[in-house]
Amino acid sequence: DAGITQSPRYKITETGRQVTLMCHQTWSHSYMFWYRQDLGHGLRLIYYSAAADITDKGEVPDGYVVSRSKTENFPLTLESATRSQTSVYFCASGGAVYEQYFGPGTRLTVT
Amino acid sequence: AQSVSQHNHHVILSEAASLELGCNYSYGGTVNLFWYVQYPGQHLQLLLKYFSGDPLVKGIKGFEAEFIKSKFSFNLRKPSVQWSDTAEYFCAVIYTGRRALTFGSGTRLQVQP
Repeated sequence: DAGITQSPRYKITETGRQVTLMCHQTWSHSYMFWYRQDLGHGLRLIYYSAAADITDKGEVPDGYVVSRSKTENFPLTLESATRSQTSVYFCASGGAVYEQYFGPGTRLTVT
Repeated sequence: AQSVSQHNHHVILSEAASLELGCNYSYGGTVNLFWYVQYPGQHLQLLLKYFSGDPLVKGIKGFEAEFIKSKFSFNLRKPSVQWSDTAEYFCAVIYTGRRALTFGSGTRLQVQP
């Protein structure tokens, strides 16, 4: 049982390029989340989704796009990557209760 | 704005010392409270949670936390730390009407053998 997986685990890209980070969960949780982790800021919410085709902005959504056509997948796209988007990105999922389960993270470097 | 504050950014302890990490949240009505731990190079794992009931909650690995509503606090404690507790600890809150976690900035704990 893989739980929640993220790919790629590491990515280096150039400024201006489009990048998509993938997140897949096997629990059929209705909620999925994207957070970014930066030193001194903890984790901040980028976007979340309450169900397939339902998404909403979080605290730091600018420069990111999400979609959720299937319950198990929640990709995050950086339309035109900037250096300020260098970060560690965590995907999480949650069901009927408030607990969230986190993926292993994607370390993204934008040069 | 709803926020979570962790007062200690970096804590260094010797093995067997007692631990207390502070966490305060801004007022926002009913809250659900969490402590997560992130071991070096790993993802976040849930240590313990508080939804309602007994304000003293026990989690995994000997950790406990106390919810003090009047102080908007949810401090994490462990009577005797081990070297394997070296990690980063995050306090997090789900405020009423929301579903996402609001995190504190984290506390890096270093336990020296």
